Amino acid sequence: DQQVKQNSPSLSVQEGRISILNCDYTNSMFDYFLWYKKYPAEGPTFLISISSIKDKNEDGRFTVFLNKSAKHLSLHIVPSQPGDSAVYFCAASTNSGYALNFGKGTSLLVTP
Amino acid sequence: DAGVIQSPRHEVTEMGQEVTLRCKPISGHNSLFWYRQTMMRGLELLIYFNNNVPIDDSGMPEDRFSAKMPNASFSTLKIQPSEPRDSAVYFCASSLTRGQQPQHFGDGTRLSIL
Repeated sequence: DQQVKQNSPSLSVQEGRISILNCDYTNSMFDYFLWYKKYPAEGPTFLISISSIKDKNEDGRFTVFLNKSAKHLSLHIVPSQPGDSAVYFCAASTNSGYALNFGKGTSLLVTP
Repeated sequence: DAGVIQSPRHEVTEMGQEVTLRCKPISGHNSLFWYRQTMMRGLELLIYFNNNVPIDDSGMPEDRFSAKMPNASFSTLKIQPSEPRDSAVYFCASSLTRGQQPQHFGDGTRLSIL
């Protein structure tokens, strides 16, 4: 069963606007969350992460928000750029574990 | 710094043949992972090594799949005999084990079994 879900398979945003990608999880033992970006014919590239002791982590244009009570996290990209067009994967793991549980990805298209 | 290096990038072979995928992790990383990506199931963990020792191979689909890590800088994933349903993209990833550390992925091997 899918423990990490990305319910939007695709998203289209205009350049300069905010992109918001969402992710839900079911396992309350998850305490480390990551976002990866993937271009075609390349491997996933680590983007940003957040520990469950935080509710926000920011790195440049990228911010991840974590709502533990709702078991929900989101990735905000501001401002969006055409080069951000890629598939974004949400992943989660437990403190005692190592395996990353991945969502199925959201394809982001940023149009000029 | 060199990232995770996988070879070959593409492999096309006939069913029944042996397939060997190779991975060189990032130097200094002591955890290595093999994943498989398919349209139906997304990214799934096949096996995890820590300090060259297999820790969890519960994701390996069948006995036809085997993985080794003879040293800290090399790992192989072997399928023998291969079947068409093994067609997928196989990724290798590595990380440090200390604390919460991200895994870094190679560019994958696209495997097609005819």
